[in-house]
Amino acid sequence: AQSVTQLDSQVPVFEEAPVELRCNYSSSVSVYLFWYVQYPNQGLQLLLKYLSGSTLVKGINGFEAEFNKSQTSFHLRKPSVHISDTAEYFCAVSDKGGGADGLTFGKGTHLIIQP
Amino acid sequence: GAVVSQHPSWVICKSGTSVKIECRSLDFQATTMFWYRQFPKQSLMLMATSNEGSKATYEQGVEKDKFLINHASLTLSTLTVTSAHPEDSSFYICSAFRTSGSSEQYFGPGTRLTVT
Repeated sequence: AQSVTQLDSQVPVFEEAPVELRCNYSSSVSVYLFWYVQYPNQGLQLLLKYLSGSTLVKGINGFEAEFNKSQTSFHLRKPSVHISDTAEYFCAVSDKGGGADGLTFGKGTHLIIQP
Repeated sequence: GAVVSQHPSWVICKSGTSVKIECRSLDFQATTMFWYRQFPKQSLMLMATSNEGSKATYEQGVEKDKFLINHASLTLSTLTVTSAHPEDSSFYICSAFRTSGSSEQYFGPGTRLTVT
């Protein structure tokens, strides 16, 4: 069985400061990892995904994440945040590449950008 | 491209009635769609996997007779909540898996169901 833990339910950050949103997972098989963003009253949008290859994954909007197998982590980072990054961020895992399977989500982290 | 819509976006129904939620992939075909449920301040929980032309696969603990899923075409899946009760009030989100191009799940904006 898979599970995802997002350690922080809420992260306040000042504008233009760096941010890291933490995600840890557990899975007994090969794992595929995703980060989604949900803006208010909108559907989830894929930020980035790790399927294989380089452990450093770059996504949209300046976000990147690093897959660390030994620490079972997939933390999301951005070097300088903007007010428009205020949203809910979800980490998800699948044991089938490409998302051809139902995803297991973490509880989400609310990123709050303070001016 | 890769837009998924849901209708309605918000619905209020009385206890004991049924309500149907539609999920459409607007510009691609999806042989597989997924239905999730999201409680306030909680994660998305997978309810079922909907495959075009076959019966849906439900996750453990999800009542298949209460949450009827029909995937009649490559662009439409429906979720019907039958004999709704207040505890069914939730945010229901669908996603559609696109196999061509960028293979990934595309999510709809969700449907807020309130049962009174």
